[in-house]
Order: sequence, then structure tokens, then C-alpha cells
Amino acid sequence: NAGVMQNPRHLVRRRGQEARLRCSPMKGHSHVYWYRQLPEEGLKFMVYLQKENIIDESGMPKERFSAEFPKEGPSILRIQQVVRGDSAAYFCASSPLGQGTQETQYFGPGTRLLVL
Amino acid sequence: EDKVVQSPLSLVVHEGDTVTLNCSYEVTNFRSLLWYKQEKKAPTFLFMLTSSGIEKKSGRLSSILDKKELFSILNITATQTGDSAIYLCAVSPGGGSNYKLTFGKGTLLTVNP
Repeated sequence: NAGVMQNPRHLVRRRGQEARLRCSPMKGHSHVYWYRQLPEEGLKFMVYLQKENIIDESGMPKERFSAEFPKEGPSILRIQQVVRGDSAAYFCASSPLGQGTQETQYFGPGTRLLVL
Repeated sequence: EDKVVQSPLSLVVHEGDTVTLNCSYEVTNFRSLLWYKQEKKAPTFLFMLTSSGIEKKSGRLSSILDKKELFSILNITATQTGDSAIYLCAVSPGGGSNYKLTFGKGTLLTVNP
């Protein structure tokens, strides 16, 4: 059973470019979460998605950041016009369908974004 | 705002030693506390604790929660070099937002041969 897959593992962008981070949840999981880990900080919740729905985006910056989880294909975290402060590790996690299971989250290996 | 503080931030031990990692938390509406091990790749799930005083055990790792004093400890006995990692503690709130985990900064454990 493959775990949570993220790609790319490393991404380098220049200021002003766009970054697209992909996440495929574990097989059978229908809840996806994105977290950001800044240097020297703990993981911070960004957004929670189910298929075709954003459930909670309270942790996501209001500008330049967006997330989707289409009916087919991986979840995408998109950062437009990246700035140096966006440099971080972005982790995706998934959990199975069902009441009370959302905190049992399985994490992917992360995408390390470096903005030059 | 929910808060999780882990101590120590880093720890260096020799193989065979026993270590205790600490996690204290402040959360408005507590549901559960989780421990993860983060090596170079994905954080991997270790334990979820919801009740005070009940030890969870997996091999040489064990963990216990104290909901009155708002802390948890993770014990590793007979440490091995493969235990070297960052250990993350997270809390899950209740009230319908149990997915919104708040993480500590982690404890970096280095086990030397």
C-alpha cells in the first residue's frame, strides 16, 4: 500500500514565479491536509480538502495561495508570485473517510521549496 | 491560540541509553495528542493518546498522557542509532476541528554508536 506521495521533492523558483506542489493521498483516503514548516518552526496547518471541496482554509494566506483536490488526480497547492518568505517545506497528509479519524494523519515526504 | 512546547530541543545519547522526551500543551478544547517520528522523509505516526494515565507501547517506545498537568512523555529504551530522528508532538482540538493539528518544534534525538 503506497503511502502519501508528493512531488516534486525539491523545487527551486525565482521570485515572482509560480510554484505547484502535488499530493496523492494514500489509497482509500479521501481527506487531504496541507501543512507548512518554516525553518526552525513546527508544522503549521494550512488547508483541509475533500474531493472537489475546500473544507477549511483558515491557515492559508489570503493572497497568492490556493489549493484544490479535483475529482480525478492529485491535490495541488499553488503559490503564485512566490517571495523569499515562501521558502519552506510543504507537507501533505491524508486520512481515511469516517467520523473521528481526521486526526490520524499520514504524511508525505514533503516538498522543499526554495525561492531565490 | 493552541500551543505545543517540546523539550529538550535536542539531545545526544549513546546506544543503549534510555531517553525521555517531553511535550506540554495548551489547547482550548483538547481531543488527542499525537507523536510522530520524522527522519529525512515523511513524519511517521507513532502514537495517539486520548486518555490520561494509559500507557501506549510499541516495542522499545512508550508514551503516556497527563491531561491534568497538560503534558505527555515519550520514552525510548535501549536506544539504537536508527532511533536518531526528530520527534514531533501534536495536539488535536475537539469541537469539529480535530483535523487541525498543532505541532511543537520537535526534539532532535541523536543516538551515537
